[in-house]
Amino acid sequence: GAGVSQSPSNKVTEKGKDVELRCDPISGHTALYWYRQSLGQGLEFLIYFQGNSAPDKSGLPSDRFSAERTGGSVSTLTIQRTQQEDSAVYLCASSSLGLNTGELFFGEGSRLTVL
Amino acid sequence: TQLLEQSPQFLSIQEGENLTVYCNSSSVFSSLQWYRQEPGEGPVLLVTVVTGGEVKKLKRLTFQFGDARKDSSLHITAAQPGDTGLYLCAGPTAGSYQLTFGKGTKLSVIP
Repeated sequence: GAGVSQSPSNKVTEKGKDVELRCDPISGHTALYWYRQSLGQGLEFLIYFQGNSAPDKSGLPSDRFSAERTGGSVSTLTIQRTQQEDSAVYLCASSSLGLNTGELFFGEGSRLTVL
Repeated sequence: TQLLEQSPQFLSIQEGENLTVYCNSSSVFSSLQWYRQEPGEGPVLLVTVVTGGEVKKLKRLTFQFGDARKDSSLHITAAQPGDTGLYLCAGPTAGSYQLTFGKGTKLSVIP
């Protein structure tokens, strides 16, 4: 497809389990972002990838969260030992403007529920 | 920390009414963006304002960037049910490539 694709769209897991969320950005977009959206909250920045540069991980809430981007394309966000407060919609976005902040194209998100 | 505060948090109006929502900060932003998010979907960009005092129109939507580039407003004329959604403002975080988002205004337009 032409847009940002995220999977799974919904994930229900038990507290303490690990989860992986995948993002396939728009082809050719060099910048990739992960945001988290909790109920009633705005978008919370998690991590940013730009080309081959070191990622900006300043938004990751704890060391249980990690992300990688392979080959400058697909990205995976991993949450280890999930907690109930990790329940949220995880949004991925990509952008073509690289170092300049331009339009972000968002996927539909992955809704994570931790029981 | 650059924060964006949006008001009101919730707004429910009748079809055909006019409304204005606000995005305010104590910090200066080089630009501000407005996104609309519908349930189950990601946010979609509506407009980017760059110049202080700038006014942009998108059909029935009018966006204004404050002269000091610390605030912005979105005015909708004759609201339609299709305008229902979460309206988010966002601005680039100084010294990084992040976009800082406000918490949004949830708009419901009742037919």
